[in-house]
Amino acid sequence: AQSVTQPDIHITVSEGASLELRCNYSYGATPYLFWYVQSPGQGLQLLLKYFSGDTLVQGIKGFEAEFKRSQSSFNLRKPSVHWSDAAEYFCAVGAGGSYIPTFGRGTSLIVHP
Amino acid sequence: ETGVTQTPRHLVMGMTNKKSLKCEQHLGHNAMYWYKQSAKKPLELMFVYNFKEQTENNSVPSRFSPECPNSSHLFLHLHTLQPEDSALYLCASSQRGGSGNYEQYFGPGTRLTVT
Repeated sequence: AQSVTQPDIHITVSEGASLELRCNYSYGATPYLFWYVQSPGQGLQLLLKYFSGDTLVQGIKGFEAEFKRSQSSFNLRKPSVHWSDAAEYFCAVGAGGSYIPTFGRGTSLIVHP
Repeated sequence: ETGVTQTPRHLVMGMTNKKSLKCEQHLGHNAMYWYKQSAKKPLELMFVYNFKEQTENNSVPSRFSPECPNSSHLFLHLHTLQPEDSALYLCASSQRGGSGNYEQYFGPGTRLTVT
């Protein structure tokens, strides 16, 4: 079965600084990978996804993520964070045999002015 | 309406009440899900429906009863709940099969408070 780890419970950055949120997965083959964002009191919104092909994936709101097979990672990045990016971020991994993804515990992003 | 909608957005109920949560997806998907999200806990998958058939029940107490009358609608019937059932209940949908592009789309959730 697949699993996913988000090592950072909280991340604090200053507005305008760059951001990297970590995600590590465990799965024997090439997984399907997702990043979601959740604002307070809201549902999860899909930021980007990786299924195959180019390992650098562009998403909405200026986010990107890079799949690194050798490191079993799918880290989320943004070059310049805005105050409105403050939210909870979830990484998820899906395996070929199951259409139900496994979610990480989430990373809370705090943005200082 | 677009995407996944959930009603009500907020619900306060006593432990002896019976209520239902409703979810509707307007995406033409064939799979629907209920999740429970509690503070300080990971997202918990509760039920999965695939083509209206329940395919997953992750040891959810019987006081939660799902219903999926068609591939666009999903209900969660609640009765005799406990205070620890207070949480954000999220509905999601996805398209199973084909190219495997089964990313999930979530509704805004129902914030449930059990008193």
